[in-house]
Amino acid sequence: AQTVTQSQPEMSVQEAETVTLSCTYDTSESNYYLFWYKQPPSRQMILVIRQEAYKQQNATENRFSVNFQKAAKSFSLKISDSQLGDTAMYFCAFMKHVVNYGGSQGNLIFGKGTKLSVKP
Amino acid sequence: DAEITQSPRHKITETGRQVTLACHQTWNHNNMFWYRQDLGHGLRLIHYSYGVQDTNKGEVSDGYSVSRSNTEDLPLTLESAASSQTSVYFCASSAVRGRTDTQYFGPGTRLTVL
Repeated sequence: AQTVTQSQPEMSVQEAETVTLSCTYDTSESNYYLFWYKQPPSRQMILVIRQEAYKQQNATENRFSVNFQKAAKSFSLKISDSQLGDTAMYFCAFMKHVVNYGGSQGNLIFGKGTKLSVKP
Repeated sequence: DAEITQSPRHKITETGRQVTLACHQTWNHNNMFWYRQDLGHGLRLIHYSYGVQDTNKGEVSDGYSVSRSNTEDLPLTLESAASSQTSVYFCASSAVRGRTDTQYFGPGTRLTVL
């Protein structure tokens, strides 16, 4: 079974600085997807970034980028130029690659989250 | 704009009552999912569906049921609510039938069972 571990329950960063959130996972699958979701105080789950395991290039979305180390099973999120609106819970999630809907699960497996506070 | 909605947003009920939480998406997505979120556990999968008339159990399905009669809706029913089912419930959907794809979430329903 796959597991996702986020070892930092809480972090804080000063506005405009850079912060890195850690995520490790355990799987025997060779083809899978990794995600970071953001959950602000409104509780809405918002997709931040997605990485396909077969791609060597790290995904980026504006101020958000990942460091994907497949051999180490590590998937960290870097937030540059932190803004007050980045204050939220951040969840790392794993999804194995599914092509046969008959018997396999295409669901997400989440870590327990990291609470990020951006301070002015 | 296409979206995914959940209703009600907040619900208080009593132990033993049947409760149904609604999920409706207008993206025409094939796949729909129900998760619960509890402190210290992150999000855990309850049930999922890859299309009309298809339903599957997830990690924490005991005490819950779903049915999929159309593409847009996947209602979650608690047959006999228990205090352990006090939680925040999220519905999600993704496009491609049965294939790995990004999931998009609804706003959540906070359920309290007294």
